[in-house]
This record gives sequence, structure tokens and C-alpha cells, in this order.
Amino acid sequence: QKEVEQNSGPLSVPEGAIASLNCTYSDRVSQSFFWYRQYSGKSPELIMSIYSNGDKEDGRFTAQLNKASQYVSLLIRDSQPSDSATYLCAASNSGNTPLVFGKGTRLSVIA
Amino acid sequence: DVKVTQSSRYLVKRTGEKVFLECVQDMDHENMFWYRQDPGLGLRLIYFSYDVKMKEKGDIPEGYSVSREKKERFSLILESASTNQTSMYLCASDTQSSGANVLTFGAGSRLTVL
Repeated sequence: QKEVEQNSGPLSVPEGAIASLNCTYSDRVSQSFFWYRQYSGKSPELIMSIYSNGDKEDGRFTAQLNKASQYVSLLIRDSQPSDSATYLCAASNSGNTPLVFGKGTRLSVIA
Repeated sequence: DVKVTQSSRYLVKRTGEKVFLECVQDMDHENMFWYRQDPGLGLRLIYFSYDVKMKEKGDIPEGYSVSREKKERFSLILESASTNQTSMYLCASDTQSSGANVLTFGAGSRLTVL
């Protein structure tokens, strides 16, 4: 059974701090990794994708991948109250297999 | 922008009723998916389709069926609704090329079965 594990939280951080969200996956052949953000009462939306080991930066967001450790993380710098949401980690073997989602980590940024 | 439209935002049905949840996407995506989302259980894949007339079971297909007669439309059917099917249902689509796994979700259909 392919699994993606996340700490459910809530993770509370003060405004302006760095939020660190973590994810592990069980399937060693997973190639593609994604972070989706879901605001309360809304649908998930993609914020980051990462395919290679290392870091990928996009604005205040940095995704990190370590395939040897089967570990993916998302860093949010200068956290804002508007970042308060549930963050879903997802993994896939390839474009021809559906994503496997973690259960999500709830982030609360305190003003 | 890709748009995924789910026909019903909120539905209330009775046990044993047949329920149709409709999903339409307007960007010619090959792949379409149905998930349900429950507190503490996350997103669980019910069925997916990579082409017209094609369907594949996901992780929790029991009690559900699907129909994909046209590329843009993917319907989820509950043949005989039960209370344990009360949930938020999310439809999503993506494309097999460079957009693979970049899912666009519909707004969701919250189903309550009494």
C-alpha cells in the first residue's frame, strides 16, 4: 500500500516566522511530489511541485526533496495569516498513475 | 484557466436513493478523478478515467460507479445511497502531457444522506 504520511497538526507559527511542513512517502519508485494548499471550505490548489533532489524555490515557498530518505518538505518564509490552511503532500510514480495524498497538515499563522 | 464545474454544491438525499454527481471540465483534459474527503481521512480516490469510456477503480470504489461518455464529463453514481456516503466529493482533472498530476479541482459537492 502506497502511503504518504504527514503530521496532522495543527502547526502554529507566529506571523513572520518560517513554517516547516514535512512529509514522508513509502513507495521508493515515486518520482513526482506536490504540495497542495486547501483553505477551509475550499478545494485544494497546487502551490509547488518538485521532481529532483534538492530545493526548489518559488517566492516565499521552498520545496525540499530527499529521495534517499523518502522525505519531502515545504518551507514557508515570512508566514502570513493568509497562509493559514491545510497543506496536502502528494506523490506519484509517473504521469500515468494517480496521486497519493497525505491527510494534510493544518497550519495556523498567528498575527 | 482550467475550470472544473460540479453541478451540485449541496445535496441532501435519503438512504436508498440513486445519486448522480456531475463534473464537467472545459480544457480538453484527458484525465478525470473523483475523490471523497472526510475529516481525519484526507482525500481518498474513488474512481478515475484516462479516456472516454475508460474507468479505473481507485482506493474506495465500493458503492460507487462512474460514467464517462464524453471527454469533458465524468459522472459519479451512488446506486443506493447510504449514510456512510455522507461526505464532500471532489472532482479533478489534469492532462497527460506536461500537466500530469497538476490537478485542478472543482468546488466540491457536499452530500448528506439521511
